Amino acid sequence: DQQVKQNSPSLSVQEGRISILNCDYTNSMFDYFLWYKKYPAEGPTFLISISSIKDKNEDGRFTVFLNKSAKHLSLHIVPSQPGDSAVYFCAAGGYQKVTFGTGTKLQVIP
Amino acid sequence: KAGVTQTPRYLIKTRGQQVTLSCSPISGHRSVSWYQQTPGQGLQFLFEYFSETQRNKGNFPGRFSGRQFSNSRSEMNVSTLELGDSALYLCASSLATANYGYTFGSGTRLTVV
Repeated sequence: DQQVKQNSPSLSVQEGRISILNCDYTNSMFDYFLWYKKYPAEGPTFLISISSIKDKNEDGRFTVFLNKSAKHLSLHIVPSQPGDSAVYFCAAGGYQKVTFGTGTKLQVIP
Repeated sequence: KAGVTQTPRYLIKTRGQQVTLSCSPISGHRSVSWYQQTPGQGLQFLFEYFSETQRNKGNFPGRFSGRQFSNSRSEMNVSTLELGDSALYLCASSLATANYGYTFGSGTRLTVV
């Protein structure tokens, strides 16, 4: 039962353009959502989070949007840089448990 | 400050053996969670410990177990290893809850042959 889904295993974007990573969830009881970035041979690094009572949170080049009615969240990276090339995981949390998606591999082409 | 430390980084074991992995959280963090990462499956939640008590558990067989010590260091144990247990095992710590994000260690790469 995959409660958090990232349907795009990979994404390629030109440097300077916008990267949009998408995530869908099924459990309406999740009360916060997070995005992590992972480089090979390293653990995931926390990027940005959003509470279920908000619909947008911004931190520098990273913005997360939450659409509760559609059970959908997205991460926008503007402008994309080659150093952003990594695997991105979305995660949803509720009552001390965090459920991760399967990840989307982003490649930013110089 | 020191990050989350996992030891060992790499491990090769034979089917049927058991293995113990260690995690030292960030100083002051009382919650430690364990995840298994395999290709195509993302990060699968194993269990979470808080103040030496297992607070939450994922859907893994009883061969997977863990514990947390009074200094918040945690260990996970896998008995009777199977080939399918080959994975990257990640430990993550947080102050109390994961609302503001975990800090992950670099993981232990376990290969079962």
